[in-house]
Amino acid sequence: AQTIHQWPVAEIKAVGSPLSLGCTIKGKSSPNLYWYWQATGGTLQQLFYSITVGQVESVVQLNLSASRPKDDQFILSTEKLLLSHSGFYLCAWRTGGALEQYFGPGTRLTVL
Amino acid sequence: QQKVQQSPESLSVPEGGMASLNCTSSDRNFQYFWWYRQHSGEGPKALMSIFSDGDKKEGRFTAHLNKASLHVSLHIRDSQPSDSALYFCAVSEQAGGYKVVFGSGTRLLVSP
Repeated sequence: AQTIHQWPVAEIKAVGSPLSLGCTIKGKSSPNLYWYWQATGGTLQQLFYSITVGQVESVVQLNLSASRPKDDQFILSTEKLLLSHSGFYLCAWRTGGALEQYFGPGTRLTVL
Repeated sequence: QQKVQQSPESLSVPEGGMASLNCTSSDRNFQYFWWYRQHSGEGPKALMSIFSDGDKKEGRFTAHLNKASLHVSLHIRDSQPSDSALYFCAVSEQAGGYKVVFGSGTRLLVSP
């Protein structure tokens, strides 16, 4: 069975501090990976997607970056957090044979 | 910019009742629709996809797509309190497209 983990579960950070969020998918090889951001009770904004290791496409500019260092790992980061970065960050995966995306449990980020 | 409009913003139905949600895409290039459901504090889960004109039924859920108007609806019959959640419509340019745009969401409350 496929499992998706996100870490940390929650984070409280200061404005201007760095951030690194992680996502790992187990049980699937070569998945397509996605990062989304969601304001509290709001819609999901797609941030990045990755089709293969080392390749990441940016969908929207939010002073964030993403990397895929391994087939099963997706990292979201920034060197300098803004208040507007607060929200719920969701990682998702999809394989070529499936059409829908499978989301992880998310990371709640609060920037103060 | 591609926009996905959902209505109503919120909906309240009694247990056992019918809930009807609507979604319209503003870009004719985005014709592949999904419905996702998100319970509070969790990641969204896919309910169903619909790519062809007409109805698609999965259990208590029925989606209807009108490609000419880029309008899709979701009907939930015999609504249960566990159906209370945030419902998102998502659209893509291709069935397996990498870029996915989510709608603003409809919050459904099913009262016992």
